[in-house]
Amino acid sequence: GAGVSQTPSNKVTEKGKYVELRCDPISGHTALYWYRQSLGQGPEFLIYFQGTGAADDSGLPNDRFFAVRPEGSVSTLKIQRTERGDSAVYLCASSSSGGGDTQYFGPGTRLTVL
Amino acid sequence: QKEVEQNSGPLSVPEGAIASLNCTYSDRVSQSFFWYRQYSGKSPELIMSIYSNGDKEDGRFTAQLNKASQYVSLLIRDSQPSDSATYLCAVKGNTNAGKSTFGDGTTLTVKP
Repeated sequence: GAGVSQTPSNKVTEKGKYVELRCDPISGHTALYWYRQSLGQGPEFLIYFQGTGAADDSGLPNDRFFAVRPEGSVSTLKIQRTERGDSAVYLCASSSSGGGDTQYFGPGTRLTVL
Repeated sequence: QKEVEQNSGPLSVPEGAIASLNCTYSDRVSQSFFWYRQYSGKSPELIMSIYSNGDKEDGRFTAQLNKASQYVSLLIRDSQPSDSATYLCAVKGNTNAGKSTFGDGTTLTVKP
């Protein structure tokens, strides 16, 4: 079956612009996670959805970052007024439920803010 | 101090040798432990998960967990050049169901 998909694969934007990153999880997976990974570092947790609701958004760095999952499937990560420091690979993962279940990662979106 | 610490690496071993990767974590209530492999330019791929103290073997891979010492390791036997990658240790806590905390990874190179 299809894995986690993310679009776009690459996004180049200018400082101050708004961007949206999309994640399509594995069909039937109720839990969806967003992480971001900078070069030479491990993935950094941003937010976790269980169904349509954000169960844990403690990793969002500030109020410029927002994520939604209106129908409990596809999720969109939204970044307002982008800054050069937002440049990273944004990874989405899904799992069948929370707790100790396996997280399956998508290919990521590489965001570059000029 | 980071919540999950790994050998800074890089680690280089000859083909056929045993590669040993180590990880320590700070949150004593952590309950789930994972090793991911990440090839350059790719996303992390789960290779092992472990939940109880002791060893867990899967093919050439063995994960070891010691909760008292807050230590988890990964052994790769008969290392192959295709094992060359960055290995990420990840920990999930009991009270933060869902969120994984990752170390910064150890880069392994297996030389033919």
